[in-house]
Amino acid sequence: AQTVTQSQPEMSVQEAETVTLSCTYDTSESDYYLFWYKQPPSRQMILVIRQEAYKQQNATENRFSVNFQKAAKSFSLKISDSQLGDAAMYFCALREYGNKLVFGAGTILRVKS
Amino acid sequence: NAGVMQNPRHLVRRRGQEARLRCSPMKGHSHVYWYRQLPEEGLKFMVYLQKENIIDESGMPKERFSAEFPKEGPSILRIQQVVRGDSAAYFCASSPNGGRDEQYFGPGTRLTVT
Repeated sequence: AQTVTQSQPEMSVQEAETVTLSCTYDTSESDYYLFWYKQPPSRQMILVIRQEAYKQQNATENRFSVNFQKAAKSFSLKISDSQLGDAAMYFCALREYGNKLVFGAGTILRVKS
Repeated sequence: NAGVMQNPRHLVRRRGQEARLRCSPMKGHSHVYWYRQLPEEGLKFMVYLQKENIIDESGMPKERFSAEFPKEGPSILRIQQVVRGDSAAYFCASSPNGGRDEQYFGPGTRLTVT
């Protein structure tokens, strides 16, 4: 069975600094997708970044980038130049082909001004 | 193109009543997923439906919960005889096809059972 583990319940970062959120996962498949979702207080799930397992290059979206280590089954999210609007709950998620998303328990990110 | 719509956004039910949650997928999307988020937890998969078919209901509680996605109209998640433990946020997501397509989430329905 697929599992996703986020070992950091809460993280803090100073505005304009860089923070890394950790995620490990387990799957028996070789073809899968990994995602980071942001959930602000409004509770709307917002896709931050996605990574296809067959792609070796790490995905990047503006200030957000991932460090995808397939052999170690690790998928961390780096947020550069943190902004107050980045404060939210962040969820790591795994999706195998045609299947549901499996989410981690989430990491609360606080941004200090 | 309107996003995934869910209604109501907030629903209050007394114990023993029925709750009906509606999800209208994005235009052109024929695949719908329902997830539940209990307080202080991540989202948990409940059920995956295509038009008129349940594809995967491995996350649905065995009793009181049912889901449908008719040929016409929204997908419905129905909870009969609600209990306090059903209080949660229920999210719907849709995709144009299954497989590799991204899932787009609705704003969720927050169910409170009193």
